[in-house]
Amino acid sequence: AIQLTQSPSSLSASVGDRVTITCRASQAIGSALAWYQQKPGKPPNLLIYVASILQAGVPSRFSGSGSGTDFTLTISSLQPEDFGTYYCQHFNNYPFTFGPGTTVDIK
Amino acid sequence: EVHLLESGGDLVQPGGSLRLSCAASGFTFRNFAMSWVRQAPGKGLEWVANIGDPGRNIYYADFVEGRFTVSRDNSQNTLYLQMNSLRTEDTAMYYCAKRSTSYCIGGTCYSAYFDLWGRGTLVTVSS
Repeated sequence: AIQLTQSPSSLSASVGDRVTITCRASQAIGSALAWYQQKPGKPPNLLIYVASILQAGVPSRFSGSGSGTDFTLTISSLQPEDFGTYYCQHFNNYPFTFGPGTTVDIK
Repeated sequence: EVHLLESGGDLVQPGGSLRLSCAASGFTFRNFAMSWVRQAPGKGLEWVANIGDPGRNIYYADFVEGRFTVSRDNSQNTLYLQMNSLRTEDTAMYYCAKRSTSYCIGGTCYSAYFDLWGRGTLVTVSS
């Protein structure tokens, strides 16, 4: 199975900061990667699919990039409502796997 | 409004069984593949099983080891997960998730990401 790693595991940033989260796959997956945000007690919410496509209704401050094994989620200007845990997920083949998550809190 | 509603979670002893259900509304259920994803308390997301439309393309995570069966009833717009031989490590919130419509680019089509999730149903395996 393809393994995903994320870095950092957690971060604390101020409102307005640019935040970058990295996801690395154990083998090449093309662009078959999605990003989700999850807030405590809630289900995940799709942010980005096919590595860089913004899901409808997601603010444009979120962006994704990368292909192959290295991917990035960027929040261009962190907002108070952006706290939560962010997960990457590959869908290149079965079994699908998720990264371990990056927890973002607001300073 | 599109919606997924899970039910069936409960406290069960190790070795026991449970059947989870996920009722879909607001979209043409039979046209979409569906998955179950779980999350142990305080832990990350873990994909469990997938079923395509109309019931082909059934796949499971390695840890299932023949204990779980995913199925669907398109006439009832409902997804199921039958879980047998439950273990303490199966304790988790179980979410059903709808896979997206296909997005095609450069001759490749993608659909195995999840654009709609239910609120989950809690399974606790403990003696």
